[in-house]
Amino acid sequence: EVQLVESGGGLVQPGGSLKLSCAASGFTFSDHFMDWVRQAPGRGLEWVGRTADTHNNYITRYAASVRGRFTISRDNSENSLYLQMNSLKSEDTAVYYCTTEGLTGRSNGFDFWGQGTLVTVSS
Amino acid sequence: QSVLTQPPSASGTPGQSVTISCSGSNSNIGRDYVYWYQQLPGTAPKLLIYKNDQRPSGVPDRFSGSKSGTSASLAISGLRSEDEADYYCAVWDDSLSGWVFGGGTKLTVL
Repeated sequence: EVQLVESGGGLVQPGGSLKLSCAASGFTFSDHFMDWVRQAPGRGLEWVGRTADTHNNYITRYAASVRGRFTISRDNSENSLYLQMNSLKSEDTAVYYCTTEGLTGRSNGFDFWGQGTLVTVSS
Repeated sequence: QSVLTQPPSASGTPGQSVTISCSGSNSNIGRDYVYWYQQLPGTAPKLLIYKNDQRPSGVPDRFSGSKSGTSASLAISGLRSEDEADYYCAVWDDSLSGWVFGGGTKLTVL
């Protein structure tokens, strides 16, 4: 059974940093793209970024709104995905979801989601 | 302002059919697959439709997707109370080199 469990959310001051983790199980982690998607309170979904799989050299891509401030990394030995968030702004306040991308097949979309972890940026 | 345009709300009575639209451009819907996600209140989103019109295992055939040109639609037939949720379309945008979501449509079953 595929499971994604996010952790690391909390309250942080503007300009601060936070690192989110996503523990994955139930599949061969290194073989798959992984993404972060966020949702501000009462708002819609926003893609944050992704890391590719081993066949694509784990290339990362980011949304323009977070590029240069956020970094996605993965530890395949720990089956874990990370999101390092720096220079945080109030508009980064959101629930952050870890998702698989195309786990069930190429181009199958965000097919599994974690439960999310809430990040609040406020003084 | 989302790159993909969805109506903010839709509604129907039990048993009725409803369609939710998603409008994009040649850099996204016009050249790549469309995906739909369902988000029930207080829960994480769930994949509902992939590659324009494919249903993951376990998704009822009351849900169907289609695409034409730079627009896509999600149709739900035989509405049930448990279909009350937010629905989002998504697609890879070649110009932005990233995924984009529609603003979401809140479906109310009256």
